[in-house]
Amino acid sequence: GIQVEQSPPDLILQEGANSTLRCNFSDSVNNLQWFHQNPWGQLINLFYIPSGTKQNGRLSATTVATERYSLLYISSSQTTDSGVYFCAVNSGYSTLTFGKGTMLLVSP
Amino acid sequence: SAVISQKPSRDICQRGTSLTIQCQVDSQVTMMFWYRQQPGQSLTLIATANQGSEATYESGFVIDKFPISRPNLTFSTLTVSNMSPEDSSIYLCSVLKLEKLFFGSGTQLSVL
Repeated sequence: GIQVEQSPPDLILQEGANSTLRCNFSDSVNNLQWFHQNPWGQLINLFYIPSGTKQNGRLSATTVATERYSLLYISSSQTTDSGVYFCAVNSGYSTLTFGKGTMLLVSP
Repeated sequence: SAVISQKPSRDICQRGTSLTIQCQVDSQVTMMFWYRQQPGQSLTLIATANQGSEATYESGFVIDKFPISRPNLTFSTLTVSNMSPEDSSIYLCSVLKLEKLFFGSGTQLSVL
């Protein structure tokens, strides 16, 4: 099946800093999504982005499908951005495969 | 988006017993899924809950251990049967709507 690698595994930032999270995948995809799991465990869908660029407030994402990677940008980070960020992909008719996540801690 | 109600939110169970988790969606959806998230780990798909037919299980998960019901397009249950401490995890219901995956708040299960 498709392989998903996320980097870095852990990230510590000061409030106000910017960050870039990366998701590499091993095959062409027809679905790629980014999620944020907050410290209370709730998973929030951030982006559906199999290709191209999208922005939502301080967050933006870019997927370069031909080079098999996606980037999630967080600008002016806030303590509420803390948690785990997951990338999930699928190809063909398979179900979504999740990466291992990037754990982000934003300190005040 | 989709609003998903999942209950119970947490439970502590004795080994050998079973627990049924309920998932209610605020609109009809074709695709419903059950995931497991072990402590500090990523999400692993248990099965796809199919309306009107048997669930489709992923490798490593079997119907006898994780029976699933899907009586209609807004509701599903997952039962964790004959529990052992290794079943201690978060169990998550999710739905696919307009290509996006949405999750319930999860069930934190601890087995003693």
